[in-house]
Parts: sequence; structure tokens; C-alpha cells
Amino acid sequence: EAQVTQNPRYLITVTGKKLTVTCSQNMNHEYMSWYRQDPGLGLRQIYYSMNVEVTDKGDVPEGYKVSRKEKRNFPLILESPSPNQTSLYFCASRVGRDTEAFFGQGTRLTVV
Amino acid sequence: DAKTTQPNSMESNEEEPVHLPCNHSTISGTDYIHWYRQLPSQGPEYVIHGLTSNVNNRMASLAIAEDRKSSTLILHRATLRDAAVYYCILPGSGYALNFGKGTSLLVTP
Repeated sequence: EAQVTQNPRYLITVTGKKLTVTCSQNMNHEYMSWYRQDPGLGLRQIYYSMNVEVTDKGDVPEGYKVSRKEKRNFPLILESPSPNQTSLYFCASRVGRDTEAFFGQGTRLTVV
Repeated sequence: DAKTTQPNSMESNEEEPVHLPCNHSTISGTDYIHWYRQLPSQGPEYVIHGLTSNVNNRMASLAIAEDRKSSTLILHRATLRDAAVYYCILPGSGYALNFGKGTSLLVTP
């Protein structure tokens, strides 16, 4: 079954404690991205990757890092989380710009 | 990036057709129109996309105006499971999907 898997689904952490949210896809897609969803602001792209070792900033990259060492994995790293990064995060993958995007089930992050 | 405009909410009766409109007057000639939906507590789900001509799949139909400045997503028989936020999207920079606020569809029995 084609899927994008995120872990963990829920996470509560403290300010400044580094964390990683993992994302993996089994469809051999070249393009992967991370979004955050906040009430009233919709989904906004954080980072994207067009292939292995190729990443670029989206609309709201501050406070986040990503890496793409393998095609299937695209982890989101928060080196020093802050309360304003409390949000619902989604990973997505697709073949190209005008193709169907597959989204993960989301990671609800709370930073206290 | 080109923007889309959708009604905030719409309501439909179960088993009736639903027409969800979207305006995108600044669309460029190569932009595909994408539709996604998001059910409560789930990630966005692809519905359909098209460039110029009308498109059909198992979930819905997409009717695109001849001048491409508007489109309509058609759910042929709404079910309670179709209650969701529906997003009409044009691709943005960096391959981004610019979701906007979408249309919240309420389906009543």
C-alpha cells in the first residue's frame, strides 16, 4: 500500500530539547516536503526536497532543519524547539509538481 | 503565487450532488488546478486535478471554465463521509501546495 509514515503521532516536549520527527515514503517519490498547520493560517510549507541531498526552504523555515540522505526518508529536525513551534505537522511526497501528493497522518507537537 | 478564492462553507443534503466553486483569475497558462480535502483529524487527501479540460475520477469530477479563471469540484452523491474542508490549490514556488482556508462542507442526513 502506498503510504507516507510519520513518527511520532503525538509529542510533548520542553523548550530547547532537540527533537526529530521522522517521515518515510514507500513510493520512490523524488519530491518530499514538510508543512505545519495552525488555526487560521492553514497549511504552510516549511522545507522541501526535490531529490537526495537537494533541499530548500519553504515559506516558514525558521527554527527547522531537514536532511535527505536517502530517497525514502525526510526527517524534520528542531534543534531548539520553542513554544511557537507548537503545531500540527504533515509530511508529503509526490512524483512532481503536477502530480498527486500523498500526506502522512500528522504529528501533533506541543512545546512547553 | 496565484491565489484562489473559495466560499468559507457550504451545506448539502446526503445523496445529493455538491458543486464546490473556486475562482483563480490570476492563474498562469501552465498551472494545474488541484483539489484536496481534509477530513477531521486526518492529513490532506488528494481529490483530483486538471489543466484545461474536465476531469473525472472515482471520487469526483472537475469542471474547468474555458478561460480557466474558475473551476468547480463536483461530488456526484454526497455522503456523510464527504464532510471535510475542500481546498482548491494552484502550485506555488518550490512546488508548494498553497492550501488557503478552503471550503468547509457540511453534509446533513
